[in-house]
Amino acid sequence: GAVVSQHPSRVICKSGTSVKIECRSLDFQATTMFWYRQFPKQSLMLMATSNEGSKATYEQGVEKDKFLINHASLTLSTLTVTSAHPEDSSFYICSASPVNTRTGELFFGEGSRLTVL
Amino acid sequence: DQQVKQNSPSLSVQEGRISILNCDYTNSMFDYFLWYKKYPAEGPTFLISISSIKDKNEDGRFTVFLNKSAKHLSLHIVPSQPGDSAVYFCAASPNTGNQFYFGTGTSLTVIP
Repeated sequence: GAVVSQHPSRVICKSGTSVKIECRSLDFQATTMFWYRQFPKQSLMLMATSNEGSKATYEQGVEKDKFLINHASLTLSTLTVTSAHPEDSSFYICSASPVNTRTGELFFGEGSRLTVL
Repeated sequence: DQQVKQNSPSLSVQEGRISILNCDYTNSMFDYFLWYKKYPAEGPTFLISISSIKDKNEDGRFTVFLNKSAKHLSLHIVPSQPGDSAVYFCAASPNTGNQFYFGTGTSLTVIP
């Protein structure tokens, strides 16, 4: 099946630094990728919808200046957590949908665990 | 505000019996629903979906039922197998776009 790769899988950083997480679709093109955040024992919370070649669409309550999303190509989206703080520590996961499908075939990366010290 | 809810965080079922996982939603704009399965240290994988024009969709041991008036869907697994032990998320998508909103998940344990 389709594969979505996320990197890094784990990252520890100091407060105030920025961290970039990459999401790549390895064997299909994705005009749309999604970024989620998961708190312990809570749902996957949709943060933003990343559209290739255009600005991301952020969900209500998500700071777009803090969580910068770039979808530079049909196979790569990046999430940059700027000026990270301990409360940004979380599990971030991306998903991608092959072009022109709404069958539910969302493919997920394995997630990136961010720890901000 | 949680638009998709799974009120049972965990469920234990004996092997061979039926597992029933429930999901409720609040947004009447949702018209497409999915179930995902997640093993530890892996991303969720798609399991089964249902459109609002149907009330039932079946795929092997997995059946999803949709009750639009109650804004409720359920996933039935029968017979349950130990390999089904995982966290199950339901997700919903509005007819206005292709975003998916997830429930909090239900951890299913199938006891051999």
